[in-house]
Amino acid sequence: AQSVAQPEDQVNVAEGNPLTVKCTYSVSGNPYLFWYVQYPNRGLQFLLKYITGDNLVKGSYGFEAEFNKSQTSFHLKKPSALVSDSALYFCAVRDGGAGNMLTFGGGTRLMVKP
Amino acid sequence: DSGVTQTPKHLITATGQRVTLRCSPRSGDLSVYWYQQSLDQGLQFLIQYYNGEERAKGNILERFSAQQFPDLHSELNLSSLELGDSALYFCASSALPDGNQPQHFGDGTRLSIL
Repeated sequence: AQSVAQPEDQVNVAEGNPLTVKCTYSVSGNPYLFWYVQYPNRGLQFLLKYITGDNLVKGSYGFEAEFNKSQTSFHLKKPSALVSDSALYFCAVRDGGAGNMLTFGGGTRLMVKP
Repeated sequence: DSGVTQTPKHLITATGQRVTLRCSPRSGDLSVYWYQQSLDQGLQFLIQYYNGEERAKGNILERFSAQQFPDLHSELNLSSLELGDSALYFCASSALPDGNQPQHFGDGTRLSIL
């Protein structure tokens, strides 16, 4: 079975500073990894994915993520945080079975303060 | 706007009752997924359909059932409702049942059991 861990319930960062939201995963085969963001009273919004190729993946709204196979990590990053980035962030790994089922981490709340 | 439509947005009912949640996928998407989001369980995959057929099943209770219709919309039926079924239920869709496309989420149906 696959699993995802987001070790921080909350990350606080000042506006303009770089941000990192951590994610580690466990899968039996090759991982397909995703980051989603959830704003209050809304569904999850796709940010970026890693399937294969370059370890640094660029996504929406200036976010990027770094895949590290040896550390089984897929941390989300942004060079300069905005107050509007404050939201709940979910890391997910795709199941290698017949479907496209996603297993999600517990989520990390990002608070960007002005 | 993800293009995935869920109705109703809110549902309040009593224990023992039965409800139906509806989802219309993005135009062109053939696969539909249902997820449950609750404070204690986090985001959990329930079930996936592709072109009308069940594709994968997750932690879905026997009291719950779903189907996908010929026009590709899907319904999630929850019966003999218990207090613990109170949660946010999300529908997501993707073009194909597996592969590398991200899933696109609706804004959810908030179910409250009194």
